[in-house]
Amino acid sequence: IQMTQSPSTLSASVGDRVTITCRASQSINTYLAWYQQKPGKAPNLLIYKASNLESGVPSRFSGSGSGTEFTLTISSLQPDDFATYYCQQYNRNPTWAFGQGTRVEFK
Amino acid sequence: EVHLLESGGALVQPGGSLKLSCAASGFAFSSHAMTWVRQPPGKGLEWVSIISYDSVDTFYADSVKGRFTISKDNAKTTVFLQMNSLRVEDTAVYYCAKGRPASSPTDSFDIWGHGTMVTVSS
Repeated sequence: IQMTQSPSTLSASVGDRVTITCRASQSINTYLAWYQQKPGKAPNLLIYKASNLESGVPSRFSGSGSGTEFTLTISSLQPDDFATYYCQQYNRNPTWAFGQGTRVEFK
Repeated sequence: EVHLLESGGALVQPGGSLKLSCAASGFAFSSHAMTWVRQPPGKGLEWVSIISYDSVDTFYADSVKGRFTISKDNAKTTVFLQMNSLRVEDTAVYYCAKGRPASSPTDSFDIWGHGTMVTVSS
C-alpha cells in the first residue's frame, strides 16, 4: 500500500489553521496515525486510529478520515508546532508504512 | 517513566554486520510488540521490522528481508536488530519504538527511543 502525503512543505503563520492530507492507495479502514518530528529528535505520536488524540497532545491537533483519505488539522498553529509531520498506515497484510512527510515552516 | 534506549550503532564497512539493542523500562514489555524504524540523513521515516509481543510473529520491510533479524528478550526487556550484509543505503538513524495497543495487532507506535546512528561506508 502506497501512502501519498501532501503538501511536502507548508508555509504558515502563528494562529493559522493548517491541514495536511494523507492518501492510501487502497483502503486501510481507520488504521492511520500521525506523528510530529522536530530536528534531531525522535517522532512523537499525535493521533492514532485516524481520530484518537494521544494522551498529552494538545487539543488543537485533530485527525479525521477513513478508507483512503485522511487529514491532520492544527486549529491554531503555535510556535512549537513548526516541525515535520508524518502519517503512518497499518494494514492487515500486515505491513506498516510512513508517508513522505510534510514540513511546516514559518511564512 | 516509560523509556527506550538504543545502543550498538557504529561505522561499518559494506558487507559487514552489526547488532542493535534497545533496552526498555517502565511498561509491560512482554505485552507489547516492538518495532525498528530508520531515517537516512535528511530523509523521511522508513519502517524496518516488527516483532509481536510474544515473539511468535516477525515482519520485515522488503528492503531488509533476508538480511536483518529482529528478536525480543522479555526477561531482559530488550529488543534486538541483527543486521547482516550491510549496504551503503542502510546508513540511517535507527529508532526502536513500542507498539500499541497491547497484545493486539499493532497499528501505531507510542514510545520512541532517541535513536542510534548506523553508518555503512568503506
